[in-house]
Amino acid sequence: GQNIDQPTEMTATEGAIVQINCTYQTSGFNGLFWYQQHAGEAPTFLSYNVLDGLEEKGRFSSFLSRSKGYSYLLLKELQMKDSASYLCAVRVTTTGANNLFFGTGTRLTVIP
Amino acid sequence: DADVTQTPRNRITKTGKRIMLECSQTKGHDRMYWYRQDPGLGLRLIYYSFDVKDINKGEISDGYSVSRQAQAKFSLSLESAIPNQTALYFCATSDLAGGKAVANTGELFFGEGSRLTVL
Repeated sequence: GQNIDQPTEMTATEGAIVQINCTYQTSGFNGLFWYQQHAGEAPTFLSYNVLDGLEEKGRFSSFLSRSKGYSYLLLKELQMKDSASYLCAVRVTTTGANNLFFGTGTRLTVIP
Repeated sequence: DADVTQTPRNRITKTGKRIMLECSQTKGHDRMYWYRQDPGLGLRLIYYSFDVKDINKGEISDGYSVSRQAQAKFSLSLESAIPNQTALYFCATSDLAGGKAVANTGELFFGEGSRLTVL
């Protein structure tokens, strides 16, 4: 099976920086995704890492270390609208399929 | 209009009833998926299909069945609903599985979700 861990909840202040960590133990690793999900809505794609290092996209950055089974999502200049759940998902290659397995998500609350 | 559309968006039913959730997409993707989301458990894969003639079980397929009627349509059925199937259900699509090229992520595109309550 796949084991993906991320904190359940985090709180941060508007304008600040927050880092959401994700650790995983999988076989057949083939990429890591971060999704944002507002309450009652569909998850939306934020970032993708398949090689080690940092991927930057505006206020959002994602880092991957395959040897450590570790990723983080960095959110800068936090805004109230960033209050949402952030889902870490690992793509795994097994039996010819490349399916995503999701962590339970980190609910981020941004306070004024 | 949404690229991935689910119907119904909300449904309340009774134990033992047959329920069908439908999903249609205009993205032209071959791959379609059904996930369920429960508080504290995250998204779990029920079934997936890589083309019209290909159906595969996911992590939690017991109690569910699917039909891929066309490239654009993938429906999920609960033959005899039970209360622990109360959940938020998402349909998703993707293009190529992805690879080393960052531009080709093979990310999932989700529908708006179908909230099912089984009493």
